[in-house]
Amino acid sequence: GAGVSQSPSNKVTEKGKDVELRCDPISGHTALYWYRQSLGQGLEFLIYFQGNSAPDKSGLPSDRFSAERTGGSVSTLTIQRTQQEDSAVYLCASRAMGQLQETQYFGPGTRLLVL
Amino acid sequence: AQTVTQSQPEMSVQEAETVTLSCTYDTSESDYYLFWYKQPPSRQMILVIRQEAYKQQNATENRFSVNFQKAAKSFSLKISDSQLGDAAMYFCAYSFMDSNYQLIWGAGTKLIIKP
Repeated sequence: GAGVSQSPSNKVTEKGKDVELRCDPISGHTALYWYRQSLGQGLEFLIYFQGNSAPDKSGLPSDRFSAERTGGSVSTLTIQRTQQEDSAVYLCASRAMGQLQETQYFGPGTRLLVL
Repeated sequence: AQTVTQSQPEMSVQEAETVTLSCTYDTSESDYYLFWYKQPPSRQMILVIRQEAYKQQNATENRFSVNFQKAAKSFSLKISDSQLGDAAMYFCAYSFMDSNYQLIWGAGTKLIIKP
């Protein structure tokens, strides 16, 4: 596609429910990242994918958070048993290999509110 | 550890004037990348400008330019002829290859444009 897309744009859920956030990267971009943006913590790295594998999951805050990527394209971030502190904007980014390989391009984010 | 510091939580500038946003960073790497991203209320994180550390020449993109001082570990953003559409949060970020180009972020500077 022309850019990184994310869905849903906004999500309101009740504490304890599971949520799935989706990211569709720029076509051909093999690297994909998830970041979290919250008022208290700023921008934090969550997980990095190269193709379908995740060599760096070091930023996932707890075992309630998981992510997968299929077909080297779409990625899903799942938060189980959501807590109020999970409320944040979740940003996805992708980048190409080769020229300008260090530059990440972002989607519009998903704003998650846990009540 | 790599860190990025933006010491100005908020800046304001008169339309058509010039403003400079500050960023300092700490790293032991010799080759790395620095970025300025803009985040308007729409939440979309937009790349403004990027700088490769091994290039001494300061990057320029139209009205946006940087003052990269590698020895001082400083990377400031100058916006010339400020426009109302420049109003946004501006984030300074850093990455390097051995961390899979994961972005490390500053806390952001809110830029207000006065008409």
